Amino acid sequence: GENVEQHPSTLSVQEGDSAVIKCTYSDSASNYFPWYKQELGKGPQLIIDIRSNVGEKKDQRIAVTLNKTAKHFSLHITETQPEDSAVYFCAASRRYSTLTFGKGTMLLVSP
Amino acid sequence: DAMVIQNPRYQVTQFGKPVTLSCSQTLNHNVMYWYQQKSSQAPKLLFHYYDKDFNNEADTPDNFQSRRPNTSFCFLDIRSPGLGDAAMYLCATSRDRSTDTQYFGPGTRLTVL
Repeated sequence: GENVEQHPSTLSVQEGDSAVIKCTYSDSASNYFPWYKQELGKGPQLIIDIRSNVGEKKDQRIAVTLNKTAKHFSLHITETQPEDSAVYFCAASRRYSTLTFGKGTMLLVSP
Repeated sequence: DAMVIQNPRYQVTQFGKPVTLSCSQTLNHNVMYWYQQKSSQAPKLLFHYYDKDFNNEADTPDNFQSRRPNTSFCFLDIRSPGLGDAAMYLCATSRDRSTDTQYFGPGTRLTVL
């Protein structure tokens, strides 16, 4: 089955800096890669996703890149703000399978 | 507007006392999922329904059951909760399986005394 590795487990940045979270996956047939943000005591919320026919996708301060050859994808957050502090999960899935999540990254943005 | 609703948000039960958690959705999605999430861990899929078709994960204990009486509602039944079942239980929906976006509810925090 699919295995998703996520790094780092904790990331501390200053407000205004950029943050990068990286994930690798094992199943070359995986073709859907969402990123979720989970605030304390709440359910995960989708913030951006990318499919295998696209190499990069951007939504305001958030971007995701995908390298299918290397089987890794990354989340980039620019101009970080304190409200970006949360746990971020990457995930991967292939046709006819369910999502496999990474273990999560706790992002702390200091004012 | 809430799209995936979970009730209650907090549930306290006693060891061995059956408990039912509820999930409803206004998205008219075909697929409904139940996840268990323990502290500082990723969500772990317990099972999902594709329409009325129930799909159990191989490592989901028999203690966990689910019902989906109609498109909008799905229930998680824990027949005899143990201390190790204390967790956040998340419901999610998607229009279709696999590569379709999943939308999560706010979760139900279960405490077992």
